[in-house]
Amino acid sequence: SQQGEEDPQALSIQEGENATMNCSYKTSINNLQWYRQNSGRGLVHLILIRSNEREKHSGRLRVTLDTSKKSSSLLITASRAADTASYFCATALNSGGYQKVTFGIGTKLQVIP
Amino acid sequence: DVKVTQSSRYLVKRTGEKVFLECVQDMDHENMFWYRQDPGLGLRLIYFSYDVKMKEKGDIPEGYSVSREKKERFSLILESASTNQTSMYLCASSPTSGSPNEQFFGPGTRLTVL
Repeated sequence: SQQGEEDPQALSIQEGENATMNCSYKTSINNLQWYRQNSGRGLVHLILIRSNEREKHSGRLRVTLDTSKKSSSLLITASRAADTASYFCATALNSGGYQKVTFGIGTKLQVIP
Repeated sequence: DVKVTQSSRYLVKRTGEKVFLECVQDMDHENMFWYRQDPGLGLRLIYFSYDVKMKEKGDIPEGYSVSREKKERFSLILESASTNQTSMYLCASSPTSGSPNEQFFGPGTRLTVL
């Protein structure tokens, strides 16, 4: 079964607004990653947060991680039309010498100009 | 600029055909992955490889096989394509495990099996 579940599954906002996407997971993790996918393309890595970190920033992105609640959120501030894409969280767990990464089903974000 | 390339963007095959999907990375990564992506199901791992000639089953390996003869190339094989294998196939690579790392994805191959 999928480890990460994003919420909401779809989000539509006006340009300039902030967009918040949430991810919940079920088991222990070593790190959690967020990816972006433009329509019909491959995924692009955005940001990684380790299990011992609580918050991380990268440009207009802010990620939080609450391991006690097994949840993470991705905040995109001052959204732009070019941010329109699907966003996926991926949980990573070291297992047997490998890092097993499991993706959620994604949040589809539409930013209206 | 790091790059993962896939042999085809779009592919149409008939039921029962043998299908090869090729993936090449130029980053000297040890790990390579094949996923399929379907609406409402997200990405599901089919197979991965952590070294040349090594392979491990992912979550949905049935109906697929893989080959990794060279470090830079990871092939996904559908021995006898079926309509339920119509999907978007994504290849990815990452550096060796042991430290947190990201996956680099190819552009995807949209396969239609008629």
